[in-house]
Amino acid sequence: GNSVTQMEGPVTLSEEAFLTINCTYTATGYPSLFWYVQYPGEGLQLLLKATKADDKGSNKGFEATYRKETTSFHLEKGSVQVSDSAVYFCALSDRAGGTSYGKLTFGQGTILTVHP
Amino acid sequence: DSGVTQTPKHLITATGQRVTLRCSPRSGDLSVYWYQQSLDQGLQFLIQYYNGEERAKGNILERFSAQQFPDLHSELNLSSLELGDSALYFCASSVDGVQPQHFGDGTRLSIL
Repeated sequence: GNSVTQMEGPVTLSEEAFLTINCTYTATGYPSLFWYVQYPGEGLQLLLKATKADDKGSNKGFEATYRKETTSFHLEKGSVQVSDSAVYFCALSDRAGGTSYGKLTFGQGTILTVHP
Repeated sequence: DSGVTQTPKHLITATGQRVTLRCSPRSGDLSVYWYQQSLDQGLQFLIQYYNGEERAKGNILERFSAQQFPDLHSELNLSSLELGDSALYFCASSVDGVQPQHFGDGTRLSIL
C-alpha cells in the first residue's frame, strides 16, 4: 500500500535559518503530493501541492518539488520565522480511476520550533 | 478559517458509551472525509462520502459508522467506546473529490 516517511523530528531552528524537512513516499501509479501545516489547537491547513513529476509547489516562502526518480517531496524555506512554528505533514493521495483525489496518506509529522 | 465546521470541539465520555461527531463541509463541497489523529497511529483515513454515497473506506472499526445527509453534513458515530478511541477526529471536505481537502479544527474525544 501507499506510505509516506518524514524525517525524524522535532526540528529546532533560529529565526532566518534555512529549513528542510525530508519526505519520501511509496505509491503505485502517480499520486498527488501535499504538505499540510497544523498550528496548535487548529486543524490542518494545505500549505502547497504538486500533482505530477517535476511540479514545484510553493506558498508563503515554502517550496517542494515532486521528484519521481527519488520518490521525494522535500519541504524547504530559505528563512524561517517564529510564526512558522507548527507541525508539518507530508501527504499523498490516490488518484482512483485517474479522476479523483481519494484518501490522504500522511507521514508522521515533523514538529518545527523556531526561536527568535 | 477553512469553512469546515466540526462540533463539538471537545467530548469527554466513558468506556462503553456512544457518541456522535458532526461535520458541516464548506459551502459547495460535495465530498466529506473523516480522519483520526492519535499519538500512536498518527493521522489515519477512516471513510469518505461523496454526495451522500460512501466512496472509500480506510481503517475504520466496525464499532464506527458514518453517513452523509442530503444537506451534505456528515456524522461519525462511535459506539462501545474503548480507552484507545481517545483521539482527535478531523473532518475534511473538497468540492468534488478532485480538489485538495480542507480540514476542520477537529473534535477531541477523551474516554475516561
